Amino acid sequence: GENVEQHPSTLSVQEGDSAVIKCTYSDSASNYFPWYKQELGKGPQLIIDIRSNVGEKKDQRIAVTLNKTAKHFSLHITETQPEDSAVYFCAASTGSARQLTFGSGTQLTVLP
Amino acid sequence: EAGVAQSPRYKIIEKRQSVAFWCNPISGHATLYWYQQILGQGPKLLIQFQNNGVVDDSQLPKDRFSAERLKGVDSTLKIQPAKLEDSAVYLCASSPGQGKNSPLHFGNGTRLTVT
Repeated sequence: GENVEQHPSTLSVQEGDSAVIKCTYSDSASNYFPWYKQELGKGPQLIIDIRSNVGEKKDQRIAVTLNKTAKHFSLHITETQPEDSAVYFCAASTGSARQLTFGSGTQLTVLP
Repeated sequence: EAGVAQSPRYKIIEKRQSVAFWCNPISGHATLYWYQQILGQGPKLLIQFQNNGVVDDSQLPKDRFSAERLKGVDSTLKIQPAKLEDSAVYLCASSPGQGKNSPLHFGNGTRLTVT
């Protein structure tokens, strides 16, 4: 089955700096790659997603890039703010069933 | 729109006891998922329903876990008997359908502690 690896496990940045989180996946058939933000005591919330026919997608301060050849994708957050502090998960799925395989998460801390 | 509702928020039980979790998906969402999230890990899929039918339960420990989605709306997940390693957050998610434009929406989960 699919295996998703995520790095780093923890990341601290100064407010205003950029943060980058990277994921690799094993199944070349995976075609959907969402990113979720999880705050303490809450469920994961979708922040951005990308499909395999697109190389890059941007939404305000958040962007995701996908390299199908290398089977890796990354989340980029620019101009970080304290409210960006949370655990971020990448995920991958194949086909239309949306059975997501999640990475192990990155604890992002934005220091004021 | 109202989000995915789950109850209870917290549950503490002793090993070998039974427990049940309830989920009410977003109105109109045909697909419902139960995920298990162990502390410090990403969510792991347990079971997926499409309306009231099971799409995939290959990762559900069927000797102790069961789930149902009667009438294709609400769902319950049951554990009987519970083990210490079942301590986790149980997340319910829903999506409009199985198509490629169907992102998952998660509830806030039920935190289970087995002592």
